[in-house]
Amino acid sequence: DAGVIQSPRHEVTEMGQEVTLRCKPISGHNSLFWYRQTMMRGLELLIYFNNNVPIDDSGMPEDRFSAKMPNASFSTLKIQPSEPRDSAVYFCASSLGAGFNTGELFFGEGSRLTVL
Amino acid sequence: GENVEQHPSTLSVQEGDSAVIKCTYSDSASNYFPWYKQELGKRPQLIIDIRSNVGEKKDQRIAVTLNKTAKHFSLHITETQPEDSAVYFCAARNYGGSQGNLIFGKGTKLSVKP
Repeated sequence: DAGVIQSPRHEVTEMGQEVTLRCKPISGHNSLFWYRQTMMRGLELLIYFNNNVPIDDSGMPEDRFSAKMPNASFSTLKIQPSEPRDSAVYFCASSLGAGFNTGELFFGEGSRLTVL
Repeated sequence: GENVEQHPSTLSVQEGDSAVIKCTYSDSASNYFPWYKQELGKRPQLIIDIRSNVGEKKDQRIAVTLNKTAKHFSLHITETQPEDSAVYFCAARNYGGSQGNLIFGKGTKLSVKP
């Protein structure tokens, strides 16, 4: 398996523009997570899906952020409009199940976003 | 919700010495505690984990201990090597109910000097 695949790897955009980040989880994994990493705040959980259903989106900063998972093999994180403070590395991760005997999160390479 | 505190934020050791990183968590229902290593510019990767029914787990030079009463867990790296230099993150997860998300500590930057 190629692992979790994210695109784009790098994005530079101007304030006010729409940004869409994409993620393909590992085949067969049914939990998907979006994290944001910054020096100041570390790894912050933005949203978590289980079986394509959003379970916890309490980490989504504000209405400018939205995430979807239309099927088991694809998820998007959208920022509209983007602001300089959104600059960060955004990681997508997937895991098999959410039960006690599962656990390891497999991270993608991350999408480095710079908003000018 | 869960809150994970991690200390220290930076740690510098000489090659061959031991390194210890400590974490505390707030939610007594948390039952899974992994540690991730992130090398510069790379993705976080799992190095070891422990579940709430176990007090200690070892894997070669790394070990993790868990004290559920005190709600803290620690990572121990012995005989450190330069390639151990990275940022280490602890995390806590509760599989019960509807919450299966993984909450991370802020990370510890470990530097191993040759």
